[in-house]
Formats: sequence, structure tokens, C-alpha cells
Amino acid sequence: DIVMTQSPDSLAVSLGERATITCKSSQSVLYSSNNKNYLTWYQQKPGQPPKLLIYWASTRESGVPDRFSGSGSGTDFTLTISSLQAEDVAVYYCQQYYTTPPTFGQGTKVEIK
Amino acid sequence: EVQLVESGGDLVQPGGSLRLSCAASGFSFSSYAMSWVRQTPGKGLEWVSTISASGGSTYYADSVKGRFTISRDNSKNTLYLQMNSLRAEDTAIYYCAKGSGSHMRIFDDWGQGTLVTVSS
Repeated sequence: DIVMTQSPDSLAVSLGERATITCKSSQSVLYSSNNKNYLTWYQQKPGQPPKLLIYWASTRESGVPDRFSGSGSGTDFTLTISSLQAEDVAVYYCQQYYTTPPTFGQGTKVEIK
Repeated sequence: EVQLVESGGDLVQPGGSLRLSCAASGFSFSSYAMSWVRQTPGKGLEWVSTISASGGSTYYADSVKGRFTISRDNSKNTLYLQMNSLRAEDTAIYYCAKGSGSHMRIFDDWGQGTLVTVSS
């Protein structure tokens, strides 16, 4: 199974400041035939299910604010919140869908400083 | 608006059985793969099973293979998870999740979840 490792486990950022979360996969999730990275990001607020933010590593889901962006390729990926808002307090997960089973990172908790 | 509503979660003894259901609305259910994903405080998010749009293909995590069976009734817009030989480690919130049109395991909509507790 591909192991997804996120860092940090938690971070506190001031309102309006940048938040950066990294996700590392134990093997590449880049499919060479279509040059796509099989990597998603989800946001989960307390008491709610996960919500899809980003897929194909950098494609924003419809309706997701453009302060959320994804980048990276191969084994190293980043989720950036360019200007943290109060409503962004949540746990963020990466997930690979390159192989079965699809696997998730352990989550990164984002709080307000 | 996509709606996924899970039901069937309960307290069950080890070795027991349970059937979860997920009622879908707001989209063409028969056109999309569907999955079950579970969440525990200790192990985080764990994919359990996926079924193709037609129901002809099914996939399972090793941890549930041979014990759980995923199925769907496209005439009723309902997804199921039959859970047998339940273990304490199956205790979790179980979410049904819709696969996106781009890839079956991009989970673009999730239900609110149903709690399964396996304990004597």
C-alpha cells in the first residue's frame, strides 16, 4: 500500500496569513501515460464529513475558494491556503488514488493563532 | 443538490452482522461508482470498498475482504454494505461517498455518516 505522510500534524496561523501543508507519498502517484498526479485534498470541519477541495493534485473543485491551491508532483505535494479565514479551521487530508487501496494521510489540523 | 443519507449503524457484538444503507438523490445514481469510507479517531480515514456504476465490479480493502459485501440497487438509488463477522476494530463512522466523473476514487460528495460500534 502507498503510505501518505502529512506534515505538520497541526499548525496555527494568524488570520490573513498563509498556511502550508505538505503531503509525501511512499511512491510516485504520477501516471506517466497521462502526466497526471493521482492526488486529492479534503477539508473536514468538526462534526462534518470530508469535503473535496482539490483533485489531480492541483484542480480546484467547483465552488472552492481560490485561496486554496494545490501543487507538487511525483511524491511531494502541497496544499496552500493563501489567506487564512476563520471558516478554514478544519483538518485537511491528502489521498492518493493511483493504486488500490486508495490511502489517506493522517490529517493536519489548522487552527487560528 | 447531491444528497447521501446513510442508515443502519448500531451497537453490535463481536461476530455479529449489520447492513448499512445509503440513500442517494440529486444525481444520476446509476452513472457513478460509489464507495464506503470509514473513520476512527485512531486510524483516521480508511477506504473500505468501491462498486462500479453498474455494480459489475467490486473492490475491497484487505481488512474487510471476505467479511463485507458492497452492493447497489440502481432502481432504488441505494448503496449497501453487508458487514459480517464484525470485530472491535470495525468500530467507526461509515461514510458513503460518490465517485466523481473523473475517477471513481475521487470522492466528490459524502454522506453524514453512520456510527457502527462493535462491542460486547
